[in-house]
Amino acid sequence: AQKVTQAQTEISVVEKEDVTLDCVYETRDTTYYLFWYKQPPSGELVFLIRRNSFDEQNEISGRYSWNFQKSTSSFNFTITASQVVDSAVYFCALSEARNFNKFYFGSGTKLNVKP
Amino acid sequence: DVKVTQSSRYLVKRTGEKVFLECVQDMDHENMFWYRQDPGLGLRLIYFSYDVKMKEKGDIPEGYSVSREKKERFSLILESASTNQTSMYLCASFPRGRQPQHFGDGTRLSIL
Repeated sequence: AQKVTQAQTEISVVEKEDVTLDCVYETRDTTYYLFWYKQPPSGELVFLIRRNSFDEQNEISGRYSWNFQKSTSSFNFTITASQVVDSAVYFCALSEARNFNKFYFGSGTKLNVKP
Repeated sequence: DVKVTQSSRYLVKRTGEKVFLECVQDMDHENMFWYRQDPGLGLRLIYFSYDVKMKEKGDIPEGYSVSREKKERFSLILESASTNQTSMYLCASFPRGRQPQHFGDGTRLSIL
């Protein structure tokens, strides 16, 4: 079974639209970490955010915001007023306390922001 | 800033060749990883290492081996390259503790 599911394979929006990327995870651990990464066309995965399972506060960083809801096992990522530079593949990942070396990545969501 | 450097951005090899992919990190990280990335499959872990000369198999180790003789360097070896190993290969590292992984730029490997 998939530990991390990103159901949206590809999303296209027009610049300045808001867009939400969904991430649903599965774990039996009470302690775990969730991550979002951005992979621009250049290829390198860029770390965006880490969240631990005990901190359900939403986080905002500029145009980016994250909504962590344990009740629905979701960690969604919203980009407000999207820009062309936001075009990339975005990955959600999970790391469990029982084996923090192991990162489970979702299959990624490709975001196309058109001018 | 952490720097993870992969030796090649693009590589073309022939079936049956022995292929070496090199990864170097400059932040004294204990943990290093090799993933392959294929469309629709996300990142799949091939091998990881949590210390010098230590290695563990990931989810898809078949056809690959690794070497970690020095802390900063983690090599992925394709013993006898096959066309189904054509992929994007990503190296990552992170220190002890619940830290995010830092990734290299990736190597696009084509096996002809």
